[in-house]
Amino acid sequence: NAGVTQTPKFQVLKTGQSMTLQCAQDMNHNSMYWYRQDPGMGLRLIYYSASEGTTDKGEVPNGYNVSRLNKREFSLRLESAAPSQTSVYFCAISSGGPLTQYFGPGTRLLVL
Amino acid sequence: GQQLNQSPQSMFIQEGEDVSMNCTSSSIFNTWLWYKQDPGEGPVLLIALYKAGELTSNGRLTAQFGITRKDSFLNISASIPSDVGIYFCAGPSAGNNRKLIWGLGTSLAVNP
Repeated sequence: NAGVTQTPKFQVLKTGQSMTLQCAQDMNHNSMYWYRQDPGMGLRLIYYSASEGTTDKGEVPNGYNVSRLNKREFSLRLESAAPSQTSVYFCAISSGGPLTQYFGPGTRLLVL
Repeated sequence: GQQLNQSPQSMFIQEGEDVSMNCTSSSIFNTWLWYKQDPGEGPVLLIALYKAGELTSNGRLTAQFGITRKDSFLNISASIPSDVGIYFCAGPSAGNNRKLIWGLGTSLAVNP
């Protein structure tokens, strides 16, 4: 997971609270992604950013917003957390060429 | 839409055994990627395949790009306890090659 950092590592929220998950990279890759992983569901794409200044929806964008702050940073915001958003969230990056993605260590979120 | 079906869903084997798993789709893929996720970590790329019929090795791992371009196989020889984890196949979305389609994973447990 070298090169991709995520904060926080763990978070517990109450329903209705908001929070921002941070992702930063030092590999100078153009594309950044946010996934969620739930048991038996594999990895599902929430949002992605093909390059600085652009963002696009993935499979499961409802309840989330993103910001590509600069080339290094891509944040995911939950405005009003719901128990259904309890999950492990992964940030990933890619150079956009061979489409190989490098993942961060994940943020484990529990919404009560 | 495009889907990747992985089998088996889970495996429990004895140390030293060989392992085979596969990934199939009704759609053609031009690239196949195999990732491994260790417990509590993000996925890490193991092998990338770019050409139909290609056979590529990475240590004890060997992956093949099926000649129909609708399947791929991953074999692990002489399994060891650190092979434990979830193995995912992935391939680029037909509509947008910056997005990956992911299988649901094969969970591998190794009994020492």
